[in-house]
Amino acid sequence: QSELTQPSSLSASPGASASLTCTLRSGLSVGAYTMYWFQQRPGSPPQFLLRYKSDSNKQQGSGVPSRFSASKDASANAGILLISGLQSEDEADYYCMIWHNSASVFGGGTKLTVL
Amino acid sequence: QLQLQESGPGLVKPSETLSLACTVSGGSIGSSTYYWAWIRQPPGKGLEWMGTIYYSGSTNYNPSLKSRVTLSVDTSKNQFSLKLSSVTAADTAVYYCAGSGGVERRQYDPWGQGTLVTVSS
Repeated sequence: QSELTQPSSLSASPGASASLTCTLRSGLSVGAYTMYWFQQRPGSPPQFLLRYKSDSNKQQGSGVPSRFSASKDASANAGILLISGLQSEDEADYYCMIWHNSASVFGGGTKLTVL
Repeated sequence: QLQLQESGPGLVKPSETLSLACTVSGGSIGSSTYYWAWIRQPPGKGLEWMGTIYYSGSTNYNPSLKSRVTLSVDTSKNQFSLKLSSVTAADTAVYYCAGSGGVERRQYDPWGQGTLVTVSS
């Protein structure tokens, strides 16, 4: 069982909001972790979007629009990346990451289609 | 502005050792602000962290690769390097180097452009 599970794909319309989830496996508590989010457009390296531990402990990446935000859903044991006001340029793969036992672990990624 | 650039052979034979270097510009690899990481991505697949090194030489490896991975730092060249031994076709991937910074030096930003390494005879 992977530490982090992301839906493989998600579609949303321009101008709408998209909520991308990253679910921690049983035995890991989302509240204990800082979650990092990355965007990877086709043919480009990943780019750091933001990190989120709590509303009082978070950081936006340099130049990342405020349309990108994060939260946690403790009941679902998941981190959430929220993208509001979707634009065509937001079409990309999105990866979550945590550090667990001194190892960096990535989710499998979600392909976001804006159509 | 910190920039990273990977370099090395694009083709490696099975059972041989893959060697890549990452040159850091716009800052010193000896900065206490960053750790330095290697992350790879097989074609059409997700990201896999390989390991992280500090300028002092302290390392941290992915347990699944630990027996085959060696990271090193050359402060005179402002570079850090990756060696992966006994490669197979499963090691074909785009290899990225990244600076691991932020409050806890755990966020990968920036990244290099990546270099595709193919393992084939």
